[in-house]
Amino acid sequence: RKEVEQDPGPFNVPEGATVAFNCTYSNSASQSFFWYRQDCRKEPKLLMSVYSSGNEDGRFTAQLNRASQYISLLIRDSKLSDSATYLCVVRSGGSYIPTFGRGTSLIVHP
Amino acid sequence: NAGVTQTPKFRVLKTGQSMTLLCAQDMNHEYMYWYRQDPGMGLRLIHYSVGEGTTAKGEVPDGYNVSRLKKQNFLLGLESAAPSQTSVYFCASRITGNAFAYEQYFGPGTRLTVT
Repeated sequence: RKEVEQDPGPFNVPEGATVAFNCTYSNSASQSFFWYRQDCRKEPKLLMSVYSSGNEDGRFTAQLNRASQYISLLIRDSKLSDSATYLCVVRSGGSYIPTFGRGTSLIVHP
Repeated sequence: NAGVTQTPKFRVLKTGQSMTLLCAQDMNHEYMYWYRQDPGMGLRLIHYSVGEGTTAKGEVPDGYNVSRLKKQNFLLGLESAAPSQTSVYFCASRITGNAFAYEQYFGPGTRLTVT
């Protein structure tokens, strides 16, 4: 089983739709969780950290479910500009090295 | 602040040639990383450094060497390039700190083709 797994998609949604991605992780000692966004042929950039209590930033909501070992990202009112690949990142306590998922591709169409 | 910069942006090498990729950061970050990204494979860690003068192997270190002589620079070397090293190479850096002070800042990438 891979350490961090994501559905590669693509998720193809119309503008204004709500879309959700999940990411599962295998290491129960994982402590830090993040969502990064990567545009085509560009570098990854931090979208949001995922806190135990969940967090929201505008149209984006991230949740952590430790019992089932997954994190989720919900995007409301999708925009064309949300089209990108979303990378899940997990880090175990005491480790210098984060583990990246392979990403979920989102395509928002008019 | 320029953030993380990478040199060169593009390069074409012939099999067997050598080259060095330069990563520079002006954020005084302790940790630096080199990744490669291939279609369908996601980001894979090549080498990393937790401070000036230190380096360690990542997931796919074979065929690469690194050096961190100065805190702000992290060099990735290919001694004898192979077509399997055709990839996009990203450098990243971050500060030390608690679990959530963990944002990695990435450079714009180097697109390397080995023929």
